Amino acid sequence: AQSVAQPEDQVNVAEGNPLTVKCTYSVSGNPYLFWYVQYPNRGLQFLLKYITGDNLVKGSYGFEAEFNKSQTSFHLKKPSALVSDSALYFCASTGGGNKLTFGTGTQLKVEL
Amino acid sequence: DAGVIQSPRHEVTEMGQEVTLRCKPISGHNSLFWYRQTMMRGLELLIYFNNNVPIDDSGMPEDRFSAKMPNASFSTLKIQPSEPRDSAVYFCASSLVGGGDYGYTFGSGTRLTVV
Repeated sequence: AQSVAQPEDQVNVAEGNPLTVKCTYSVSGNPYLFWYVQYPNRGLQFLLKYITGDNLVKGSYGFEAEFNKSQTSFHLKKPSALVSDSALYFCASTGGGNKLTFGTGTQLKVEL
Repeated sequence: DAGVIQSPRHEVTEMGQEVTLRCKPISGHNSLFWYRQTMMRGLELLIYFNNNVPIDDSGMPEDRFSAKMPNASFSTLKIQPSEPRDSAVYFCASSLVGGGDYGYTFGSGTRLTVV
C-alpha cells in the first residue's frame, strides 16, 4: 500500500519570503514522487517529479523539492514566494506502478 | 497538442437523470484515469484504464457509476441515476503507462451539480 500525507491544510507566507509545503510518503519499493498545482476552476498541473538521482529536484515556476529518504519526505520549496503562487498544491506518489496516490492538498496563500 | 479535453465543462441535472461525462486523452497516451474532487473527500481515483482495458475500478462508488473506453481517443463516465451526493468536479487525466516524463496530464474538469 502507498500513501502520502500533507500535514498542513493551509500555509500562509508573505510575498518575497521562502515557502515550504510539506509532504511525507509511505511507499513499498522505490518511490516515484510528484508535485502538482491546482489554480481555481482548473485541472491539476504538473510541477516536478522525483524518480531517481539527485535528491534536489527543480521544477516549473521556480519551485524545487527535496527528496529525503531517511525522513520519507518530499517537501516543496521556493526561495521567494509570489502572490501568483497562491493555489492548491498536491503531493502524489506511485510505487513505480501507474496509479498515482494523491495527498489531501495544501492551500498556499501568499500575501503582500 | 490540445491537452486532455473534457466535456461538458459544467453540467446541472435533476436527481434521477442519467449523466455522461466525456474525455479525450492526449494522443499517444495509453493510460486514462477518472478522478472525482470534493471538498469533503479531496481527490478520489474512480477508475483507470491501460490500453483501453479497465485495470482498477475499486474507486467507483457504486453500481450507478460506469466507465468505458471504446478506443484510445475517447472515454466516458456515466452516472445513472444521478443523486445530489454525486455533485463534484470530475477530472480525467492521461499518461503513458508508468507515468511518463510528466506524470499525468489533467483535463480542466467537469463540474457536476445534481439538484
